[in-house]
Amino acid sequence: GQQLNQSPQSMFIQEGEDVSMNCTSSSIFNTWLWYKQDPGEGPVLLIALYKAGELTSNGRLTAQFGITRKDSFLNISASIPSDVGIYFCAGQKGGANSKLTFGKGITLSVRP
Amino acid sequence: ETGVTQSPTHLIKTRGQQVTLRCSSQSGHNTVSWYQQALGQGPQFIFQYYREEENGRGNFPPRFSGLQFPNYSSELNVNALELDDSALYLCASSLSGARGEKLFFGSGTQLSVL
Repeated sequence: GQQLNQSPQSMFIQEGEDVSMNCTSSSIFNTWLWYKQDPGEGPVLLIALYKAGELTSNGRLTAQFGITRKDSFLNISASIPSDVGIYFCAGQKGGANSKLTFGKGITLSVRP
Repeated sequence: ETGVTQSPTHLIKTRGQQVTLRCSSQSGHNTVSWYQQALGQGPQFIFQYYREEENGRGNFPPRFSGLQFPNYSSELNVNALELDDSALYLCASSLSGARGEKLFFGSGTQLSVL
């Protein structure tokens, strides 16, 4: 099935560094979401975006909804060890109850 | 802790068998969605249940079926298991009309098909 494009598959950063990850699609989405998944757990929502161009922050996390509605990025500032995990972008095309389409995820490792 | 519970946490089956996975939704939520997450992939939408009826389906064959009960809990049934069905199966609950940010995932059931 369709998936959003996330690359690279893995990222390695030093504690304290900032990191950016982006997500692209060939089609338009009305809502963009960023999730984090830890081993043995389900995805947990980090940030939700609803309008093209919207920039939203949640603590050290900032995300933007691309103007074309075909992309989004997530920035994590001043990384800490607990930021380790898999980061997924997800898009929603239809109404409130419509399905989520996920990317393949980016595995983030943080070196102390 | 999302309040969405799934059982069992792990399951091993052999090819051709049938399996039932269970999900209890968060209190107050009336909609349940099921996703399949293969190793190294993002979750893929299987189907959604609202008011005990299927309300949207992804690209999965009919041997994937579900139920929703009056208390809003749900089951995912898979018949004639294939090796490629090995995956983490995630249940997510929400309140009808809620946008994606109101979707809460359980920890999943890890299914291995041998």
